[in-house]
Amino acid sequence: DAGVTQSPTHLIKTRGQQVTLRCSPKSGHDTVSWYQQALGQGPQFIFQYYEEEERQRGNFPDRFSGHQFPNYSSELNVNALLLGDSALYLCASSLATGGLYGYTFGSGTRLTVV
Amino acid sequence: QKEVEQNSGPLSVPEGAIASLNCTYSDRGSQSFFWYRQYSGKSPELIMFIYSNGDKEDGRFTAQLNKASQYVSLLIRDSQPSDSATYLCASPEEGNQFYFGTGTSLTVIP
Repeated sequence: DAGVTQSPTHLIKTRGQQVTLRCSPKSGHDTVSWYQQALGQGPQFIFQYYEEEERQRGNFPDRFSGHQFPNYSSELNVNALLLGDSALYLCASSLATGGLYGYTFGSGTRLTVV
Repeated sequence: QKEVEQNSGPLSVPEGAIASLNCTYSDRGSQSFFWYRQYSGKSPELIMFIYSNGDKEDGRFTAQLNKASQYVSLLIRDSQPSDSATYLCASPEEGNQFYFGTGTSLTVIP
Protein backbone atom coordinates (compact mmCIF):
# COMPACT_ATOMS: atom_id res chain seq x y z
CA ASP A 1 0.00 0.00 0.00
CA ALA A 2 1.78 3.12 -1.24
CA GLY A 3 1.97 6.03 1.11
CA VAL A 4 2.00 9.66 0.07
CA THR A 5 4.26 10.26 -2.91
CA GLN A 6 5.79 13.63 -3.69
CA SER A 7 7.90 14.76 -6.62
CA PRO A 8 10.44 16.01 -7.19
CA THR A 9 12.53 15.36 -4.09
CA HIS A 10 14.76 18.37 -4.52
CA LEU A 11 14.49 21.43 -6.70
CA ILE A 12 16.61 24.51 -7.28
CA LYS A 13 14.97 27.52 -8.88
CA THR A 14 15.95 31.08 -9.59
CA ARG A 15 14.17 34.02 -8.01
CA GLY A 16 11.20 35.07 -10.14
CA GLN A 17 10.65 31.65 -11.68
CA GLN A 18 7.63 29.44 -11.25
CA VAL A 19 7.54 25.94 -9.78
CA THR A 20 5.08 23.05 -9.69
CA LEU A 21 5.20 20.37 -7.02
CA ARG A 22 3.22 17.16 -7.22
CA CYS A 23 1.60 14.83 -4.73
CA SER A 24 -0.21 11.51 -4.87
CA PRO A 25 -2.16 10.76 -1.69
CA LYS A 26 -2.19 7.53 0.23
CA SER A 27 -4.55 4.96 -1.18
CA GLY A 28 -8.03 5.53 0.20
CA HIS A 29 -7.43 9.16 1.14
CA ASP A 30 -9.44 11.88 -0.57
CA THR A 31 -8.07 15.07 0.97
CA VAL A 32 -4.72 16.70 0.30
CA SER A 33 -3.16 19.46 2.35
CA TRP A 34 0.02 21.36 1.61
CA TYR A 35 2.40 22.70 4.23
CA GLN A 36 5.55 24.79 4.08
CA GLN A 37 8.26 24.06 6.62
CA ALA A 38 11.11 26.53 6.90
CA LEU A 39 14.31 25.41 8.58
CA GLY A 40 13.88 25.14 12.34
CA GLN A 41 10.15 25.84 12.18
CA GLY A 42 7.00 23.78 12.36
CA PRO A 43 4.95 23.16 9.21
CA GLN A 44 2.73 26.07 8.16
CA PHE A 45 -0.60 25.36 6.46
CA ILE A 46 -0.85 26.57 2.87
CA PHE A 47 -4.19 25.10 1.75
CA GLN A 48 -6.31 21.99 1.59
CA TYR A 49 -8.11 20.38 -1.34
CA TYR A 50 -11.14 18.17 -1.18
CA GLU A 51 -13.39 17.14 -4.07
CA GLU A 52 -11.18 19.11 -6.44
CA GLU A 53 -11.82 22.37 -4.63
CA GLU A 54 -9.79 24.46 -2.22
CA ARG A 55 -11.55 23.93 1.08
CA GLN A 56 -9.40 26.08 3.33
CA ARG A 57 -6.44 28.38 2.90
CA GLY A 58 -3.75 29.54 5.28
CA ASN A 59 -2.03 32.89 5.37
CA PHE A 60 -0.15 32.61 2.09
CA PRO A 61 -0.22 35.04 -0.85
CA ASP A 62 -1.98 34.36 -4.13
CA ARG A 63 1.37 33.39 -5.64
CA PHE A 64 0.64 30.03 -4.08
CA SER A 65 -2.04 28.12 -5.93
CA GLY A 66 -3.08 24.54 -6.25
CA HIS A 67 -5.19 21.98 -7.94
CA GLN A 68 -6.67 18.60 -7.18
CA PHE A 69 -7.41 16.08 -9.89
CA PRO A 70 -10.24 13.52 -10.06
CA ASN A 71 -7.84 10.79 -8.89
CA TYR A 72 -7.19 12.91 -5.74
CA SER A 73 -3.62 13.78 -6.68
CA SER A 74 -2.65 17.39 -6.29
CA GLU A 75 -0.27 20.08 -7.48
CA LEU A 76 1.13 23.09 -5.70
CA ASN A 77 2.20 26.00 -7.90
CA VAL A 78 4.28 28.91 -6.73
CA ASN A 79 4.76 31.91 -9.03
CA ALA A 80 7.33 34.70 -8.88
CA LEU A 81 9.56 32.80 -6.48
CA LEU A 82 11.23 34.68 -3.65
CA LEU A 83 14.29 33.70 -1.68
CA GLY A 84 12.00 33.30 1.33
CA ASP A 85 10.08 30.54 -0.44
CA SER A 86 13.02 28.22 0.14
CA ALA A 87 11.66 25.50 2.39
CA LEU A 88 10.54 21.90 2.65
CA TYR A 89 7.10 21.56 1.08
CA LEU A 90 5.05 18.79 2.59
CA CYS A 91 2.00 17.15 1.17
CA ALA A 92 -0.30 15.49 3.67
CA SER A 93 -3.20 13.26 2.83
CA SER A 94 -6.14 12.23 4.94
CA LEU A 95 -9.76 11.36 4.81
CA ALA A 96 -12.07 14.36 4.81
CA THR A 97 -12.22 13.99 8.58
CA GLY A 98 -8.48 14.44 8.84
CA GLY A 99 -8.73 16.27 12.10
CA LEU A 100 -9.94 13.13 13.80
CA TYR A 101 -7.09 10.84 12.85
CA GLY A 102 -4.31 13.10 11.62
CA TYR A 103 -2.38 13.23 8.42
CA THR A 104 -0.01 11.00 6.56
CA PHE A 105 2.85 13.10 5.24
CA GLY A 106 4.84 12.58 2.10
CA SER A 107 8.61 12.75 2.15
CA GLY A 108 8.52 16.35 0.99
CA THR A 109 10.08 18.47 -1.73
CA ARG A 110 13.08 20.54 -0.74
CA LEU A 111 12.86 23.80 -2.72
CA THR A 112 15.85 26.10 -2.86
CA VAL A 113 15.44 29.52 -4.47
CA VAL A 114 18.68 31.22 -5.46
CA GLN B 1 -5.67 32.51 15.79
CA LYS B 2 -4.58 29.28 17.35
CA GLU B 3 -1.10 29.13 18.76
CA VAL B 4 0.75 26.03 19.77
CA GLU B 5 4.00 26.61 21.60
CA GLN B 6 6.87 24.30 22.37
CA ASN B 7 10.26 24.72 23.95
CA SER B 8 12.66 24.26 21.04
CA GLY B 9 15.23 22.59 23.27
CA PRO B 10 17.51 20.90 22.67
CA LEU B 11 16.53 18.36 25.28
CA SER B 12 19.11 15.73 26.12
CA VAL B 13 18.42 12.59 28.15
CA PRO B 14 20.52 9.49 28.80
CA GLU B 15 19.50 6.21 27.25
CA GLY B 16 16.88 4.45 29.33
CA ALA B 17 15.59 7.64 30.96
CA ILE B 18 12.17 9.24 30.58
CA ALA B 19 11.99 12.12 28.11
CA SER B 20 9.28 14.70 28.78
CA LEU B 21 8.17 16.99 25.99
CA ASN B 22 5.71 19.79 26.63
CA CYS B 23 3.34 21.89 24.57
CA THR B 24 0.98 24.73 25.48
CA TYR B 25 -1.88 26.10 23.43
CA SER B 26 -3.80 29.33 23.31
CA ASP B 27 -7.26 28.26 22.13
CA ARG B 28 -9.25 26.96 25.06
CA GLY B 29 -11.67 25.42 22.56
CA SER B 30 -9.05 23.07 21.12
CA GLN B 31 -10.32 19.54 21.29
CA SER B 32 -7.52 17.31 20.11
CA PHE B 33 -3.76 17.17 19.96
CA PHE B 34 -1.35 15.23 17.84
CA TRP B 35 2.30 14.37 18.36
CA TYR B 36 4.53 13.90 15.33
CA ARG B 37 8.15 12.79 15.22
CA GLN B 38 10.43 14.24 12.57
CA TYR B 39 13.91 12.93 11.91
CA SER B 40 16.38 15.36 10.44
CA GLY B 41 15.66 15.91 6.76
CA LYS B 42 12.60 13.68 6.83
CA SER B 43 8.86 14.26 6.96
CA PRO B 44 6.78 14.17 10.15
CA GLU B 45 5.28 10.85 11.20
CA LEU B 46 2.32 10.51 13.53
CA ILE B 47 3.10 9.04 16.96
CA MET B 48 -0.24 9.42 18.69
CA PHE B 49 -3.15 11.72 19.37
CA ILE B 50 -5.24 12.55 22.40
CA TYR B 51 -8.71 13.99 22.84
CA SER B 52 -9.63 13.52 26.47
CA ASN B 53 -8.18 14.91 29.66
CA GLY B 54 -5.78 12.54 31.30
CA ASP B 55 -3.29 10.05 29.98
CA LYS B 56 -3.18 7.90 26.88
CA GLU B 57 -0.54 5.21 26.58
CA ASP B 58 0.84 3.53 23.47
CA GLY B 59 3.85 1.35 24.07
CA ARG B 60 6.70 3.49 25.41
CA PHE B 61 4.79 6.68 24.66
CA THR B 62 2.28 8.42 26.94
CA ALA B 63 0.40 11.55 25.95
CA GLN B 64 -1.06 13.71 28.70
CA LEU B 65 -3.69 16.39 28.25
CA ASN B 66 -4.74 18.99 30.78
CA LYS B 67 -7.41 21.22 29.25
CA ALA B 68 -7.79 23.37 32.34
CA SER B 69 -4.12 24.35 32.19
CA GLN B 70 -4.00 24.22 28.40
CA TYR B 71 -1.01 21.98 28.07
CA VAL B 72 -0.27 18.67 26.52
CA SER B 73 2.82 16.56 27.02
CA LEU B 74 4.49 13.50 25.59
CA LEU B 75 6.47 11.13 27.78
CA ILE B 76 8.88 8.66 26.24
CA ARG B 77 9.87 5.87 28.62
CA ASP B 78 13.09 3.88 28.27
CA SER B 79 14.42 6.40 25.75
CA GLN B 80 16.55 4.97 22.96
CA PRO B 81 19.07 6.69 20.69
CA SER B 82 16.63 6.02 17.84
CA ASP B 83 14.18 8.37 19.57
CA SER B 84 16.51 11.28 18.82
CA ALA B 85 14.43 13.56 16.61
CA THR B 86 12.32 16.69 16.66
CA TYR B 87 8.88 16.24 18.18
CA LEU B 88 6.05 18.39 16.87
CA CYS B 89 2.85 19.13 18.73
CA ALA B 90 -0.17 20.01 16.59
CA SER B 91 -3.83 20.82 17.00
CA PRO B 92 -6.45 20.90 14.23
CA GLU B 93 -9.05 23.56 13.59
CA GLU B 94 -12.43 22.23 12.52
CA GLY B 95 -10.81 19.12 11.16
CA ASN B 96 -8.84 20.88 8.50
CA GLN B 97 -5.92 23.16 9.19
CA PHE B 98 -3.40 21.86 11.68
CA TYR B 99 -1.45 24.31 13.78
CA PHE B 100 2.02 23.04 14.58
CA GLY B 101 4.45 24.13 17.22
CA THR B 102 8.05 24.80 16.27
CA GLY B 103 9.09 21.42 17.64
CA THR B 104 11.37 20.23 20.43
CA SER B 105 14.68 18.65 19.50
CA LEU B 106 15.41 15.54 21.57
CA THR B 107 18.80 13.83 21.81
CA VAL B 108 19.11 10.50 23.60
CA ILE B 109 22.69 9.94 24.71
CA PRO B 110 23.92 6.32 24.63
